[in-house]
Amino acid sequence: DIQMTQSPSSLSASVGDTVTITCRASQRISSYLNWYQQKPGEAPKLLIYGSSRLQSGVPSRFAGSGSGTDFTLTISSLQPEDFARYFCQQSYTNSWTFGQGTTVDI
Amino acid sequence: QITLKESGPTLVKPTQTLTLTCTLSGVSLSTSGVGVGWIRQPPGKTLEWLALIFWNDEKRYSPSLRSRLTITKDTSKNEVVLTMTNMDPVDTGTYFCAHRISYHIGDTYYSGLDYWGQGTLVTVSS
Repeated sequence: DIQMTQSPSSLSASVGDTVTITCRASQRISSYLNWYQQKPGEAPKLLIYGSSRLQSGVPSRFAGSGSGTDFTLTISSLQPEDFARYFCQQSYTNSWTFGQGTTVDI
Repeated sequence: QITLKESGPTLVKPTQTLTLTCTLSGVSLSTSGVGVGWIRQPPGKTLEWLALIFWNDEKRYSPSLRSRLTITKDTSKNEVVLTMTNMDPVDTGTYFCAHRISYHIGDTYYSGLDYWGQGTLVTVSS
């Protein structure tokens, strides 16, 4: 299995801040990297696919980048509804794997 | 609008077999390209992808759980069923089913999980 490692595991931020979350794959996965947002008690929501492509309906303050093994999710001008847990997930192989998650709290 | 809903037992005993059903609406399992996956999440922990089944009955499994998992579909009911054998307390968690989306960009297909069920909490305890 490809291991996905996120950092940090948690971070504190304020409304209006810009935050960056990193995801590293244990082997090269080209751009086959997705990002999800999960709020407590809810199912995950797809934010970004193909490393940098915004899922329909997702605000443009979310941006993804990277290729190969290193990826980032950047949230600009953090909004109250953005405080949540974020997961990366690789779809390069037929066995998908998720990162351990990053909690963004106030 | 695609919706998914999981159903199954909330409590199973160790060594028992878990059977979960995912009922889809808004998309047909017989439509070319459709895929449905199962993902689980222990309380407070990360997500773990379990299995995926496609419209053409192609199946994929997590290598670490492959020996315990079976995924099937019933096209007439538009349902996907996941069975997991030999349940253990470490299998306790919320089990989600989700619709696989595939985007064709250039000569590349990018896949993700765009619609999710609400999840069902399964507790393994004697």
